[in-house]
Amino acid sequence: DADVTQTPRNRITKTGKRIMLECSQTKGHDRMYWYRQDPGLGLQLIYYSFDVKDINKGEISDGYSVSRQAQAKFSLSLESAIPNQTALYFCATSEGQGTEAFFGQGTRLTVV
Amino acid sequence: TQLLEQSPQFLSIQEGENLTVYCNSSSVFSSLQWYRQEPGEGPVLLVTVVTGGEVKKLKRLTFQFGDARKDSSLHITAAQPGDTGLYLCAGAGTGYALNFGKGTSLLVTP
Repeated sequence: DADVTQTPRNRITKTGKRIMLECSQTKGHDRMYWYRQDPGLGLQLIYYSFDVKDINKGEISDGYSVSRQAQAKFSLSLESAIPNQTALYFCATSEGQGTEAFFGQGTRLTVV
Repeated sequence: TQLLEQSPQFLSIQEGENLTVYCNSSSVFSSLQWYRQEPGEGPVLLVTVVTGGEVKKLKRLTFQFGDARKDSSLHITAAQPGDTGLYLCAGAGTGYALNFGKGTSLLVTP
């Protein structure tokens, strides 16, 4: 089984719908991240969490929210999806400052 | 946000050529990481550089961390088609999350 699992892998949704992307990890790491990837824009940080009680906004948090349900689970929600949120979304975990980040396989989201 | 700028954005070369990819910032980092991403997959760590001036080698890949810990480079010797992919640098200051550059998309043709 993968260390970082994202569900769903692919999703098509309509404008205005609420959607949740889920991430779970078996690494035992405290730090979890959500990134968005668009062609030519690398990975942009949406939200991050350094432990279960800590949630922080990243550079592009508008239109998104997160929930850290447990050390192993970090979900990303789009309350009212819009077409420009069509992108590839990655969840990642790391043990601490400057340590390796482990990524899930990504969720390809299309908003029509 | 601590910005990381990568150059070039795209690179298309022939097998056997050498290349260098750069990662620059105005911020000081406690460490910088280089990742490689293949289509349909998440990024995978290649190396972490920690000490200013540090040089690390991974087969035909050479990574260098600038003396001031604000920049890094990746040099590939005798590139092969299997080196094709997106190369990303990433860094985090103390107390900050890991931020990524926009990446360099490398294509190596036979």
